[in-house]
Amino acid sequence: DAGITQSPRYKITETGRQVTLMCHQTWSHSYMFWYRQDLGHGLRLIYYSAAADITDKGEVPDGYVVSRSKTENFPLTLESATRSQTSVYFCASSVFYTGELFFGEGSRLTVL
Amino acid sequence: KNEVEQSPQNLTAQEGEFITINCSYSVGISALHWLQQHPGGGIVSLFMLSSGKKKHGRLIATINIQEKHSSLHITASHPRDSAVYICAVGTDKLIFGTGTRLQVFP
Repeated sequence: DAGITQSPRYKITETGRQVTLMCHQTWSHSYMFWYRQDLGHGLRLIYYSAAADITDKGEVPDGYVVSRSKTENFPLTLESATRSQTSVYFCASSVFYTGELFFGEGSRLTVL
Repeated sequence: KNEVEQSPQNLTAQEGEFITINCSYSVGISALHWLQQHPGGGIVSLFMLSSGKKKHGRLIATINIQEKHSSLHITASHPRDSAVYICAVGTDKLIFGTGTRLQVFP
């Protein structure tokens, strides 16, 4: 089905472990984004990508790594998870940088 | 001061009421977005506008560029409208408000 999907939807991990959140879109949108959502904050941009092999930092990139070898996939990796990275993570795509956003269902990550 | 402020933070209404959610911003923008986040967590885009007014079903979004203000109206509200409504403004990036939590009771 067309759309944007994230996996896993729920993940519990321990401090120091590596975690990868996957994001896949079927629209061939140029732009893809990773946001985190925490109580008391609006959605905050972690990283974004304008096209395959082009990525850039957002507002809160520390502790995260991204890659985009194919247009449709944009995985987010926490190389050594910390408790402060407990959050809900949303992947989104768009035709252009400040265009209409299409969101995945979200991935709820808990770091113990 | 946040660059995007929404009011109210929380709103309760009876089914059928007319609802208004406000968004004020302090930066120059190219467009303003209204998003809806249901209790299950998914986020959907409702409107993207840069001037005037847009309508979709019972939802109406307006923007006043000079006043740096936008409103989202819901006519004949229904319990299924219960959600968090998020305003975001597009400059050289998207800046999100913290949302307005709406609960509509039967």
